[in-house]
Amino acid sequence: NAGVTQTPKFQVLKTGQSMTLQCAQDMNHNSMYWYRQDPGMGLRLIYYSASEGTTDKGEVPNGYNVSRLNKREFSLRLESAAPSQTSVYFCALSVEFSNQPQHFGDGTRLSIL
Amino acid sequence: GENVEQHPSTLSVQEGDSAVIKCTYSDSASNYFPWYKQELGKRPQLIIDIRSNVGEKKDQRIAVTLNKTAKHFSLHITETQPEDSAVYFCAAWGSGGAGSYQLTFGKGTKLSVIP
Repeated sequence: NAGVTQTPKFQVLKTGQSMTLQCAQDMNHNSMYWYRQDPGMGLRLIYYSASEGTTDKGEVPNGYNVSRLNKREFSLRLESAAPSQTSVYFCALSVEFSNQPQHFGDGTRLSIL
Repeated sequence: GENVEQHPSTLSVQEGDSAVIKCTYSDSASNYFPWYKQELGKRPQLIIDIRSNVGEKKDQRIAVTLNKTAKHFSLHITETQPEDSAVYFCAAWGSGGAGSYQLTFGKGTKLSVIP
């Protein structure tokens, strides 16, 4: 899925470490999203960026920060990782911030020990 | 904010039979309802979606129905094949609370098609 590129694909951290998950797109979409997926919980929105220069909290923002670096890139940062943040993280895009299809990246599998 | 309930959580069908997955939503202003298929270890992929001004939409073996009055929508897969085995998620675009909007997902249905 060349349209949405997430890095890294896998990462293991120790409690208290920090890291940044990267998402880059070549689809020229305005809106970008970060979700986490936990077993039996579906997908939950962490943060979103409706357009370049704006970011807003979603359903589960605690413990995370984001940066919309430019139209192409939207990063998610864990300042002090906790075991509860062990999850699969997906970046998604949509043309606009509205009732439009969202297209997902391949995900980052993050384990925190 | 929006609440989406999805049933059943697991579903097993014989190859060739039909499968139905149902979702209910709470926000009457929700107006867009996509369905995603996720194979093991893969990303969610959009398979079909429906907007609130339409009652039914079909794409080959897949169909979605929407009942706005009852606030529920369903995914129908006919003539199921082993490659339909996956986890399916419904979602609704509506209120995320605090004046925002978001896509709220159900918790998923694991569909197994038995050859």
